[in-house]
Amino acid sequence: DAGVTQSPTHLIKTRGQQVTLRCSPISGHKSVSWYQQVLGQGPQFIFQYYEKEERGRGNFPDRFSARQFPNYSSELNVNALLLGDSALYLCASSKEAGTVNYNEQFFGPGTRLTVL
Amino acid sequence: GDSVTQMEGPVTLSEEAFLTINCTYTATGYPSLFWYVQYPGEGLQLLLKATKADDKGSNKGFEATYRKETTSFHLEKGSVQVSDSAVYFCALRTQGGSEKLVFGKGMKLTVNP
Repeated sequence: DAGVTQSPTHLIKTRGQQVTLRCSPISGHKSVSWYQQVLGQGPQFIFQYYEKEERGRGNFPDRFSARQFPNYSSELNVNALLLGDSALYLCASSKEAGTVNYNEQFFGPGTRLTVL
Repeated sequence: GDSVTQMEGPVTLSEEAFLTINCTYTATGYPSLFWYVQYPGEGLQLLLKATKADDKGSNKGFEATYRKETTSFHLEKGSVQVSDSAVYFCALRTQGGSEKLVFGKGMKLTVNP
């Protein structure tokens, strides 16, 4: 079975531009989460979506937005890019969300965004 | 807020050496605890987990015990291999039904033959 896939693999943008990152979850998974991993740091939670609705939001500015499509794939949008947005953006999928038992998250390889 | 503090490294060990990576947490309630591993060029993979106090998670020779009294979840392996070279992250999931994970900064381990 295919794992979580993300596109593109690498991306270079300049300050002020906008970027869209894409994620396809594992088949059958209905929840997608996004994380930002700055070099040398652990991943930080940005968003979780489940059944096309936002279920959680981390401490990120409104320049960051996301959505989930009927096929459960997801896009992360970042507007007005800053140098500090340079990071590895990770997508993770899980079968369900919001249950008492933990729904294991499976991570994709990430999209490396460089802002110049 | 919830947080995880772990040994940062980098750490270099010889093959067959003993490994300990310390991890402590701050959280309300009773979080679930995890160790994730990131091999070069790959995504994060769940290594092991524990969901309640005194639980021991284990996988691939690695072990970690959920110690509520010391708010710790230290990772150990008795004999590391070159293939264990990776970055290790301690993480927690807070109570409340969200799958949001809070990660530590990670520790890079290099194992030499």
